[in-house]
Amino acid sequence: IAGITQAPTSQILAAGRRMTLRCTQDMRHNAMYWYRQDLGLGLRLIHYSNTAGTTGKGEVPDGYSVSRANTDDFPLTLASAVPSQTSVYFCASGLVGGDTQYFGPGTRLTVL
Amino acid sequence: QKEVEQDPGPLSVPEGAIVSLNCTYSNSAFQYFMWYRQYSRKGPELLMYTYSSGNKEDGRFTAQVDKSSKYISLFIRDSQPSDSATYLCAMNPGGYNKLIFGAGTRLAVHP
Repeated sequence: IAGITQAPTSQILAAGRRMTLRCTQDMRHNAMYWYRQDLGLGLRLIHYSNTAGTTGKGEVPDGYSVSRANTDDFPLTLASAVPSQTSVYFCASGLVGGDTQYFGPGTRLTVL
Repeated sequence: QKEVEQDPGPLSVPEGAIVSLNCTYSNSAFQYFMWYRQYSRKGPELLMYTYSSGNKEDGRFTAQVDKSSKYISLFIRDSQPSDSATYLCAMNPGGYNKLIFGAGTRLAVHP
């Protein structure tokens, strides 16, 4: 089934630990995105990539890094997690120059 | 001031009611307007997509854009309990399709 998968579904993490959230899409979309969703704040863009090998910063990039080694995968890394990074993280993909994005099921992350 | 404002609700209506969900925005460069539906503990799914001003209808759903007022709406006719979800508006300022989202309106349709 075409779409976006994310892993893990949920995670509880101790502050200071490193964590990588995984995202894979099979729609051959060239653009991929990472958002965080917090109550009352909606979806905020963390990082994006318009094509393999390139990445860019979104609205809230601090404390996060991404890489885009190929078209399908776009992992998000928290180098040293802090409690303010407790959130639900969504990966999305779309076509550069297109107008819509398609979202994965999300990863619920709690940093204690 | 946020670029996109959306009343968070919650909005509670009886089954069969007409629902009106709205967003206002400040950036006149927005050209593409979307509505996403998000069920609890799920990812957002694209519901409606509109370019520039005008109306678009899809079954029980109608999306309306008034660029002169910087105001968009989503109407749901004959609402069903299965419509209970959070509805997010999103807009594209053009270029590399970076979407700007509203905070979402939580809708509950009760039987």
